[in-house]
Amino acid sequence: RKEVEQDPGPFNVPEGATVAFNCTYSNSASQSFFWYRQDCRKEPKLLMSVYSSGNEDGRFTAQLNRASQYISLLIRDSKLSDSATYLCVVPPSWGKLQFGAGTQVVVTP
Amino acid sequence: DAGVIQSPRHEVTEMGQEVTLRCKPISGHDYLFWYRQTMMRGLELLIYFNNNVPIDDSGMPEDRFSAKMPNASFSTLKIQPSEPRDSAVYFCASSLDLRYNEQFFGPGTRLTVL
Repeated sequence: RKEVEQDPGPFNVPEGATVAFNCTYSNSASQSFFWYRQDCRKEPKLLMSVYSSGNEDGRFTAQLNRASQYISLLIRDSKLSDSATYLCVVPPSWGKLQFGAGTQVVVTP
Repeated sequence: DAGVIQSPRHEVTEMGQEVTLRCKPISGHDYLFWYRQTMMRGLELLIYFNNNVPIDDSGMPEDRFSAKMPNASFSTLKIQPSEPRDSAVYFCASSLDLRYNEQFFGPGTRLTVL
């Protein structure tokens, strides 16, 4: 099993709708979690950090479920500009840093 | 701050040639990371440095790849000899620490080996 797993998608979302997707991780000792956004042919950029149960920033909400070992990202009122690949990062307490393979979101008019 | 700087932005070379990718991290960041991204394998960590010292190079695919960080403001990733399967986007990133602060990525070097 990979240390960090994501549904690759694509998630096709009508403009204005809500979309949510998960990232599962294997290291139960992980204390910090990150969602990065990557636009086509661009570098990843931090979207949100999560250190406790969750975080919210405008239309974006991240929720952490430690019991089931996953972190979710929810996007409300989707905009065309939200179309991107969303990468989950779960730094391990030891060992190698792992990025998830990414979830592609396509927002359609 | 100008962010993480990488050069060149694009590189096209022929199989067998040596390729050198360059990175200048954000000043004050103690960690520097080299990644490779392809459609098939996603984003892979190749190696990372802490205070100019290589910490984990287990992601370096083979002996053809080498990385150095001679000082806090410069790192290189070298491929010698290059092969077509090395074609990818190579990102450099830097951060304050390994686990609790974000990584800032450079714009990447798009490498094509013919």
